Amino acid sequence: GAVVSQHPSWVICKSGTSVKIECRSLDFQATTMFWYRQFPKQSLMLMATSNEGSKATYEQGVEKDKFLINHASLTLSTLTVTSAHPEDSSFYICSANPNTEAFFGQGTRLTVV
Amino acid sequence: AQSVAQPEDQVNVAEGNPLTVKCTYSVSGNPYLFWYVQYPNRGLQFLLKYITGDNLVKGSYGFEAEFNKSQTSFHLKKPSALVSDSALYFCAVRDARTGNTPLVFGKGTRLSVIA
Repeated sequence: GAVVSQHPSWVICKSGTSVKIECRSLDFQATTMFWYRQFPKQSLMLMATSNEGSKATYEQGVEKDKFLINHASLTLSTLTVTSAHPEDSSFYICSANPNTEAFFGQGTRLTVV
Repeated sequence: AQSVAQPEDQVNVAEGNPLTVKCTYSVSGNPYLFWYVQYPNRGLQFLLKYITGDNLVKGSYGFEAEFNKSQTSFHLKKPSALVSDSALYFCAVRDARTGNTPLVFGKGTRLSVIA
């Protein structure tokens, strides 16, 4: 199957700093990628749709100024959590649909202290 | 609107016994249906999908699922469970008409296989 690579796998940062998470499609081009957030023992919550060459589409209730998304190329989308706070601590996962099914990155565990 | 229901938060089964993880869906058009598995602190791994054709779909690691249109169900099954199957399982749906759109996930079912 297709490979989606997400980096870093885990990160610890101080409150007030920014963290960038990268999502790469390794063997296909992705004009669209999706960013999810997962709380402990819960399902995936779609945060935003990342579109290559244009603005991301954010789901209702997701702050676009806090969660900056950039889709600079057909193989890379980045999510930057700006001015992170402890409540932003979560598991973030990206995905892309090269075919009918979605393929997911490994996820990033963000801990804000 | 699309939705997925996984009625069980937790399923416990003894090793070697058959397992079933339930899923029902709602979609306006024809469904594309998926099962994914998630291990702790990992992304989701694709298990199998139903797009069209045979209602019984076989996937990775011996899993299979049966599409039942009249009952709008897509239950995941395995004839003989392994301890290593213990994980979090997600059912997902997408309307076949909607193109490159995100999947809609159920809340997940935690499967525990006991030796």
